[in-house]
Amino acid sequence: DTEVTQTPKHLVMGMTNKKSLKCEQHMGHRAMYWYKQKAKKPPELMFVYSYEKLSINESVPSRFSPECPNSSLLNLHLHALQPEDSALYLCASSQDGQGGFRTEAFFGQGTRLTVV
Amino acid sequence: AQSVTQPDIHITVSEGASLELRCNYSYGATPYLFWYVQSPGQGLQLLLKYFSGDTLVQGIKGFEAEFKRSQSSFNLRKPSVHWSDAAEYFCAVAPYRDDKIIFGKGTRLHILP
Repeated sequence: DTEVTQTPKHLVMGMTNKKSLKCEQHMGHRAMYWYKQKAKKPPELMFVYSYEKLSINESVPSRFSPECPNSSLLNLHLHALQPEDSALYLCASSQDGQGGFRTEAFFGQGTRLTVV
Repeated sequence: AQSVTQPDIHITVSEGASLELRCNYSYGATPYLFWYVQSPGQGLQLLLKYFSGDTLVQGIKGFEAEFKRSQSSFNLRKPSVHWSDAAEYFCAVAPYRDDKIIFGKGTRLHILP
């Protein structure tokens, strides 16, 4: 099983709403990622969890709050978002490779978020 | 500075023609190297990867890539493209002892019938 599952696939939320994006993998990977992707742009790293601990926060605004309840699950809690936060949010996972390198990341299909 | 560069924003080739997409990286040590493909509105699919060993690596969908240490390059090739290859292609790196996986800006591939 090389699948990363993201739910929901689409989400429309108002600027005062609170919502959560969910991501799940059962590959035994110990690193999980959130990326944000705007149209015609590359994925932009937001957060990395390594062994269920937050290892990287790329100066993401506090209206985005990640959570890693266990090694298979990753959530992204959203609150008071702005229209410019509308994007494709991608979750990925990878495992430790040889000699201090990460191996390839496996991506989910993403959640298309629209903030109105 | 550490970086991944894809010099071509758009490339257009005719169906059946050969393809080469360029990728250069700038890191102190050779990172783990990847090529991903993304169709509109979809997630990213891994085409191939290089860590060590044979510098010519084979991937899925008939793609291959060649690692050249002297040029800090990892170019993606395909001998004969199909209309279904039209997509966005991203080169990515996983640097040594870094939890990040960093993407280049991408190359949009267009296929002429």
